[in-house]
Amino acid sequence: DTGVSQDPRHKITKRGQNVTFRCDPISEHNRLYWYRQTLGQGPEFLTYFQNEAQLEKSRLLSDRFSAERPKGSFSTLEIQRTEQGDSAMYLCASSFLGGGTNEKLFFGSGTQLSVL
Amino acid sequence: GESVGLHLPTLSVQEGDNSIINCAYSNSASDYFIWYKQESGKGPQFIIDIRSNMDKRQGQRVTVLLNKTVKHLSLQIAATQPGDSAVYFCAENWENTDKLIFGTGTRLQVFP
Repeated sequence: DTGVSQDPRHKITKRGQNVTFRCDPISEHNRLYWYRQTLGQGPEFLTYFQNEAQLEKSRLLSDRFSAERPKGSFSTLEIQRTEQGDSAMYLCASSFLGGGTNEKLFFGSGTQLSVL
Repeated sequence: GESVGLHLPTLSVQEGDNSIINCAYSNSASDYFIWYKQESGKGPQFIIDIRSNMDKRQGQRVTVLLNKTVKHLSLQIAATQPGDSAVYFCAENWENTDKLIFGTGTRLQVFP
């Protein structure tokens, strides 16, 4: 257990529905990342936050996707009007950035989304 | 474009042997690299990292080698155990940003 928790672990939804996922990072970590992973592929970067500020969004993140980290602690990822192509594992990771150095990411176990 | 690739999609080794997993990266400006292990149904687990000012780093039973001349990264696992069976990803810090770019992974299978 890395200390990063994600909820729910699994989500099955019908096409067109909205879904929301939650991530609770390691408490002292100031950076939080969202990645998406499909079967047989490596995780793809979606977006990340430093404290409550969203610093970067991937071009993979369409307008149907939105992420928030309102108090600089937990984060939510919402997908509106889900499509079958959204089916994937959504991974959250956190890290502590200090002193201008890169720090390793600690990943949660992910939320597996299936869009029917 | 973004490219962190692996040479072998599947590696099968006998228990007790050493394993070597290779990775090629394309961005010579990347300065930080990580190896992750991912077991089925779990998120990636950190194994070892290395910065571009080093060419070798050792951990417990694992060694990462970095060859910046040919942009090649490898993970060596000594005395491979059944618990090492997983998919292994290399990742690079992309163009000095604060995000990691992952390759497609190598599946390591350990046979008794």
